[in-house]
Amino acid sequence: SQTIHQWPATLVQPVGSPLSLECTVEGTSNPNLYWYRQAAGRGLQLLFYSVGIGQISSEVPQNLSASRPQDRQFILSSKKLLLSDSGFYLCAWSVRTNQPQHFGDGTRLSIL
Amino acid sequence: QKEVEQNSGPLSVPEGAIASLNCTYSDRGSQSFFWYRQYSGKSPELIMSIYSNGDKEDGRFTAQLNKASQYVSLLIRDSQPSDSATYLCAVNPEAGGGADGLTFGKGTHLIIQP
Repeated sequence: SQTIHQWPATLVQPVGSPLSLECTVEGTSNPNLYWYRQAAGRGLQLLFYSVGIGQISSEVPQNLSASRPQDRQFILSSKKLLLSDSGFYLCAWSVRTNQPQHFGDGTRLSIL
Repeated sequence: QKEVEQNSGPLSVPEGAIASLNCTYSDRGSQSFFWYRQYSGKSPELIMSIYSNGDKEDGRFTAQLNKASQYVSLLIRDSQPSDSATYLCAVNPEAGGGADGLTFGKGTHLIIQP
């Protein structure tokens, strides 16, 4: 069966520091991969999605970036975090277009 | 702009009753629809998918879709205290556009009263 791993579970970072969140999927090949952010009191917001290695599409212009160095690995990064980057970051995968997305356990990021 | 609207609640339902959750969406071309359950502090968990007009039943859950009215609902029969959570409606906004990601509503907070 397929599983998705996301780490770390919680992270506290100072403003201006870098960020790297990692997500890996097991049990499937060439999944679609997604990064979402859920801010307090707001809905889930799609940040990036990828349909293959090295293919990244951005939905929201900001100081975050994403990379997909391997088929089942998706990384969310920032060079300098802002206070507004606080939130619950969720990685998700799906087998293909129009199919359900399945979420990892998420990373709760607090910026001080 | 693609939008998915849900009543934020809280929706309070007595144990054993039917909970009815509603969602409307703006993109008439939407093709696939999902309901997720999210417990406080946890990630969303898929509970239902629906792709065509009508009803789809899975255990105590029934999803209903009306594309003409751009409306999707979730019924939970025999509600249990463990059903207390926030329910997120998610819509794939375009045919063949699943890689674009889902558009989520802000969720309805459901409380099942013992």
